[in-house]
Amino acid sequence: DAMVIQNPRYQVTQFGKPVTLSCSQTLNHNVMYWYQQKSSQAPKLLFHYYDKDFNNEADTPDNFQSRRPNTSFCFLDIRSPGLGDAAMYLCATSSDNSPLHFGNGTRLTVT
Amino acid sequence: GESVGLHLPTLSVQEGDNSIINCAYSNSASDYFIWYKQESGKGPQFIIDIRSNMDKRQGQRVTVLLNKTVKHLSLQIAATQPGDSAVYFCAEKRWNNDMRFGAGTRLTVKP
Repeated sequence: DAMVIQNPRYQVTQFGKPVTLSCSQTLNHNVMYWYQQKSSQAPKLLFHYYDKDFNNEADTPDNFQSRRPNTSFCFLDIRSPGLGDAAMYLCATSSDNSPLHFGNGTRLTVT
Repeated sequence: GESVGLHLPTLSVQEGDNSIINCAYSNSASDYFIWYKQESGKGPQFIIDIRSNMDKRQGQRVTVLLNKTVKHLSLQIAATQPGDSAVYFCAEKRWNNDMRFGAGTRLTVKP
């Protein structure tokens, strides 16, 4: 059974058109992460939530925002997608001092 | 076969041989380390972890070694199988729950 679910699996958006990616979890983990992964590269941490506390990475562009309305759900909003934002976006969850559990990602294409 | 992780992103081994994948981490304050396996089109999958108060941990066919003096982590896979072919990432967890990934090594197992 999938424990970290990302929807949609594939997302196509137009240059400059806002897009939202979603993530849900059934693990009741208190930490949720968003990573960006480009081809043949390591996942790059964008931000994470520790409970309701938002922790942004210093080099994450302002174009990327996130919301966590409750424990189970977390959203990644890209306000004005550029061609360089085409990537796989991975959501992960963890509890304190435990490994991250990843979803299978949303592959974003920007046209 | 052996890789140096960040400097040699590919490792090719013969089926049945042992594999060693290396990783250099960046932050001496990191206290928790994880190896992930990522297959094409999927999210990273947990393999094994180790905390900074240990220098070795064994799982089923896998062993992780941690050398804090030189900030080096290695993953040893015994009797490598075709199903082990994937990209392997090390990750380090920092005090604020940041989980950072190394560059990754692509393991190819030849029959």
